[in-house]
Amino acid sequence: GAGVSQSPRYKVAKRGQDVALRCDPISGHVSLFWYQQALGQGPEFLTYFQNEAQLDKSGLPSDRFFAERPEGSVSTLKIQRTQQEDSAVYLCASTSLSSGYEQYFGPGTRLTVT
Amino acid sequence: AQKVTQAQTEISVVEKEDVTLDCVYETRDTTYYLFWYKQPPSGELVFLIRRNSFDEQNEISGRYSWNFQKSTSSFNFTITASQVVDSAVYFCALSEALNYGQNFVFGPGTRLSVLP
Repeated sequence: GAGVSQSPRYKVAKRGQDVALRCDPISGHVSLFWYQQALGQGPEFLTYFQNEAQLDKSGLPSDRFFAERPEGSVSTLKIQRTQQEDSAVYLCASTSLSSGYEQYFGPGTRLTVT
Repeated sequence: AQKVTQAQTEISVVEKEDVTLDCVYETRDTTYYLFWYKQPPSGELVFLIRRNSFDEQNEISGRYSWNFQKSTSSFNFTITASQVVDSAVYFCALSEALNYGQNFVFGPGTRLSVLP
């Protein structure tokens, strides 16, 4: 079936604007992760959902970051009052219980804050 | 706390050379999982392998092989007879099983360039 999809692929926001990034996980995958990948670095964990429950949000860098997955499938990562340091690629990954710990990643959304 | 170190920031080799990418990890758990991912220029992370902490057997998949040594906390990745298509950034990652789904920690990555 289809892989993890993310939209938009690219987003340019002016400092102070709010943005919403969407992730469509693989159908049936119960677990969903968000990561932030700064240029030249490895992905850093932001938050994790199991179905609609957000079980870990310890990686969210500030209270300007908010994620939701209200129906246990599509997830949205929202960043309020964007700052330049928010510029990064935001990756979404999903996994199913049967796939063990293997995470399937989407192509990412490249956010540039000007 | 978990940590993954990939000491090699960039490596360049000529096609057909063998190359080894190093990964050293830190964890206090006895049960954990190690991973390698490839990130080509397109940006999408591609899963290569998962290894659990109780299985120290080395694994070979085509031109790829992995050497897991608990004694040195290392999980190195070797590409034999490298090809230009192997050019990418490679990430090693660690997940502690007790926190399933959480604390999936990536190393900083090694950029591999295979020259024709």
